[in-house]
Amino acid sequence: AQSVAQPEDQVNVAEGNPLTVKCTYSVSGNPYLFWYVQYPNRGLQFLLKYITGDNLVKGSYGFEAEFNKSQTSFHLKKPSALVSDSALYFCAVRDDAGNMLTFGGGTRLMVKP
Amino acid sequence: DTAVSQTPKYLVTQMGNDKSIKCEQNLGHDTMYWYKQDSKKFLKIMFSYNNKELIINETVPNRFSPKSPDKAHLNLHINSLELGDSAVYFCASSQQGQNSPLHFGNGTRLTVT
Repeated sequence: AQSVAQPEDQVNVAEGNPLTVKCTYSVSGNPYLFWYVQYPNRGLQFLLKYITGDNLVKGSYGFEAEFNKSQTSFHLKKPSALVSDSALYFCAVRDDAGNMLTFGGGTRLMVKP
Repeated sequence: DTAVSQTPKYLVTQMGNDKSIKCEQNLGHDTMYWYKQDSKKFLKIMFSYNNKELIINETVPNRFSPKSPDKAHLNLHINSLELGDSAVYFCASSQQGQNSPLHFGNGTRLTVT
């Protein structure tokens, strides 16, 4: 069975500093990895995805994610955090056998001015 | 030009009642989903439909019944509502394929009293 772990319930960062939101996964076969952001009272918005190719994936709003196969990780990064980045972030994985997308438990990012 | 829209946004009802949540997508996607987000923000897939056929049913109670009149609509009907059904329900859609991201609606907050 596939699974996703986001080990941090909350990440606190000062505005202008780099941020990292951690994600590790477990899946049989090739992983298809996604990051989503959820603002209050809204649905999830797609940020970026990894399929194959470059291990550093660039996405929306200046976010990027680094895929590490040996560590089965897909950490979300941003070089300089904004207060408006404060939200709930979800990592998700899909295997290459079906359509099921499994989400991690979410990490709340708080960016302080 | 809303991509995935669900109604109602809020639904407050009493135990034992039957209610429905509607979802429509105008993205031309082949696959639609229902996810449940609990009070701890954990997301769990409930159903997935591909071209009007059920392809995933993640052991939800049979009080929950999805209905897809066409591939642009996936409604969720819930019979005999229970307190534990209180949650936010998200509809989503995607193209078929493992690398296709999901597009989410803004959710329906169901409160059962």
